[in-house]
Amino acid sequence: GQNIDQPTEMTATEGAIVQINCTYQTSGFNGLFWYQQHAGEAPTFLSYNVLDGLEEKGRFSSFLSRSKGYSYLLLKELQMKDSASYLCAVSNAGKSTFGDGTTLTVKP
Amino acid sequence: NAGVMQNPRHLVRRRGQEARLRCSPMKGHSHVYWYRQLPEEGLKFMVYLQKENIIDESGMPKERFSAEFPKEGPSILRIQQVVRGDSAAYFCASSPTSGLSDTQYFGPGTRLTVL
Repeated sequence: GQNIDQPTEMTATEGAIVQINCTYQTSGFNGLFWYQQHAGEAPTFLSYNVLDGLEEKGRFSSFLSRSKGYSYLLLKELQMKDSASYLCAVSNAGKSTFGDGTTLTVKP
Repeated sequence: NAGVMQNPRHLVRRRGQEARLRCSPMKGHSHVYWYRQLPEEGLKFMVYLQKENIIDESGMPKERFSAEFPKEGPSILRIQQVVRGDSAAYFCASSPTSGLSDTQYFGPGTRLTVL
């Protein structure tokens, strides 16, 4: 079976750093994705991890530990436009299983 | 370089009618995925298709729902005899190659409302 857990909601202040955690238990693993989804819009790709370690891309970084079934998305220098839902997804044989998403609210 | 196209963007149907949702993948992409998203919930996988083949339909309800991706033309998700519980956003995504770990690019979604 597939089980992906992430916090439902988080709040942070503009300019700060926030870490969104994701734990997973899946029957197969070909990689872990993070997507951003603004209300009423389609998810957009943020990052992909298949090997353990940290992947950095501008203000966003993503970390993966396959042995622990754990990933996090790190957002630095938060901006108001970063207020959105962040989706963790595990890929297996072409099929992606998504968590329910973490709604991040950035306050001034 | 057009992205994934979905139409219609909004669809209203009365209970018992049929809903047809269309998805044109990105150019060069041969793999299509359909997801359903209920309000305040995450994306739920429905079906994974390649041209003329259904690869994985483990997320499709057993009745009333069907999907196809013909050799020519868009992928179609068909919902027969819609019920109020079918009201949701339906997203299509596409990927370019084997699909094992390829990034999926999402279309804007079709928001289905069943009256």
